[in-house]
This record gives sequence, C-alpha cells and structure tokens, in this order.
Amino acid sequence: QVQLVQSGAEVKIPGASVKVSCKASGYTFTTNYIHGVRQAPGQGLEWMGIIDPSGGATNYAQKFQGRVTLTRDTSTSTVYLELSSLRSEDTAVYYCARSMGSSSDDALDIWGQGTMVTVSS
Amino acid sequence: DIQLTQSPSFLSASVGDRVTITCRASQGISSYLAWYQQKPGKAPKLLIYDASTLQSGVPSRFSGSESGTEFTLTISSLQPEDFATYYCLHLNDYPYTFGQGTKLEIK
Repeated sequence: QVQLVQSGAEVKIPGASVKVSCKASGYTFTTNYIHGVRQAPGQGLEWMGIIDPSGGATNYAQKFQGRVTLTRDTSTSTVYLELSSLRSEDTAVYYCARSMGSSSDDALDIWGQGTMVTVSS
Repeated sequence: DIQLTQSPSFLSASVGDRVTITCRASQGISSYLAWYQQKPGKAPKLLIYDASTLQSGVPSRFSGSESGTEFTLTISSLQPEDFATYYCLHLNDYPYTFGQGTKLEIK
C-alpha cells in the first residue's frame, strides 16, 4: 500500500541541526511532490516547504528560509527534511506528506506518522 | 502571503447535529482548498479537495462548498467519530498555509 514512513524521535540541544527521513513506498516516488509540515505541541499545522522528487526543485516558507532544506534520494525513495540552528520553539511533530497527483498544487493525501523533535538544553 | 481565517475556533455540538466550519481567504485562491480532520496523536486525514470534491472513502455526510473567497465544510449529521480538529489548507500559491483550526467537541 502507499505509505510514508518517517524516522524516529529526536532530542537536540539548541543550535544543533536535525534531519528527519521520510521513506516512500507503494507508488512511483518521482511522480508526486512531497511536503514538510510541522505542529508544535497543542498548536496548529504549519506548512514548511515542498520538494519535487523528480528534479529536486524546492520551495520554502519564508519563515524557514535559510534554516530548512528538503533533499531526496531517488535510489531509496527517501526525502530528508533538515532544520538547522534549532531553538526551543522548533519543538514539534514534523510530518512529510504527499501531493495526491503530479502537480504541486494537488492536495496532500498520504501523510507520514510524524516525527517528534524536542529541542532542549 | 495568503492568509486563511478559519471560524469558529471551537465548536460544541451533539451527535446528529449539522455543523458548518468556514475558512475565508485573504485573496482569491480559485478552488485550491482542502479540508483535513485530525485526531489527537494522529496525522491529518484528507476529507475534501478542490474545495468540494470528496476524498475516496470519506463518508458522504462531509461536504465542501465555496463562494468567492469563503469556503465551507459541512457535516450533515455528526457521528461520534467526527469529534476532532479540522483544518483548511490553500494550495493556490507559495507559501501554502493552513487555517488556525476548529476543535469540534461533544456538547
């Protein structure tokens, strides 16, 4: 079945970086865009950025520009979300999600299970 | 950036009630709007896309509509499993943004 499986929980100190993986299966990896979304404890959903797994092109929310990087490895059907210069406000569950079609403006239909990232000294 | 104003933030209702959640965009977004349901500790679930198209497998009591920059999610007859938090998401132009969410609670 179509699924996105994310890496496990992380605990980081302020100033460090974190890299969350998102492995796709059950469909052709290069056909559908992948989004990064996060959710701080008790808060709403926040869109972070998008990557085209085919060519690697990315687009990021201005809030995260310079700190977030989405990359992909087509040989393993995996997308990576890296966030640098971590601060306590980055404590959140990080999700990857797939665009349902081959267009970047298609709705997000399949979500990973989420990865909890805790930033604490 | 396009802002989505979702209302109400909290909604208390009973099983069998008809409820409506609204999402207003700060500018035109065509029909590039989706609705999601999220339960505690779970990833969001897609309910409606392209403003009014029901996602496969979603019960028909859920429906979406649009009028200009105002979008509506309606649940025709609430079931116990519908008590959750609902979000809208626009995909018209980068950056995509979510509404603030509506928490639907049992009265």
